[in-house]
Amino acid sequence: GQNIDQPTEMTATEGAIVQINCTYQTSGFNGLFWYQQHAGEAPTFLSYNVLDGLEEKGRFSSFLSRSKGYSYLLLKELQMKDSASYLCASLDSNYQLIWGAGTKLIIKP
Amino acid sequence: ETGVTQTPRHLVMGMTNKKSLKCEQHLGHNAMYWYKQSAKKPLELMFVYNFKEQTENNSVPSRFSPECPNSSHLFLHLHTLQPEDSALYLCASSQAEQTSSGANVLTFGAGSRLTVL
Repeated sequence: GQNIDQPTEMTATEGAIVQINCTYQTSGFNGLFWYQQHAGEAPTFLSYNVLDGLEEKGRFSSFLSRSKGYSYLLLKELQMKDSASYLCASLDSNYQLIWGAGTKLIIKP
Repeated sequence: ETGVTQTPRHLVMGMTNKKSLKCEQHLGHNAMYWYKQSAKKPLELMFVYNFKEQTENNSVPSRFSPECPNSSHLFLHLHTLQPEDSALYLCASSQAEQTSSGANVLTFGAGSRLTVL
């Protein structure tokens, strides 16, 4: 079956760095998405990786290793507003999005 | 308005009621989606419309009935729901469906929180 694994919850300190991991087992692979969802709000697009390597966008970076079926989202210089759920989703060979259950990130002062 | 707008934001209904959820997008997108989001579970795709035509029905019970009158509007008609249908229903749109020509970013609405008593 198809599966996406990510931690249920993580806690980090304001100003620090946190890495949210995502492993995927899908039928084929056409890229991996990360979305951010604040409580009571719409999920918003953060990144899309289809090639191996690290892509940086300001304080956020996303990494992909296709051979390992592994991705992570790296958040630097954490701010209180980064408290949210982070959703990982893999695009399979049929171009269907397979979603993880999300990682709730709690930022403490 | 811009983006994807969903109404109502909150809905409480009894099992015998009939209600509808509405979604509107002002992005010029051609694909629209209904997702169900339950606590601590992955997003569940329910329906996909591409250029107003339904292209996906993910074995959704018939008590959920979608309607897409045009590329900007999407409805989810609800009838004789069960308590386990209580969840956040998210609408999303994208330029086109995900295909070999390229992955498309989804733009989501803030959702309609449904409680079935």
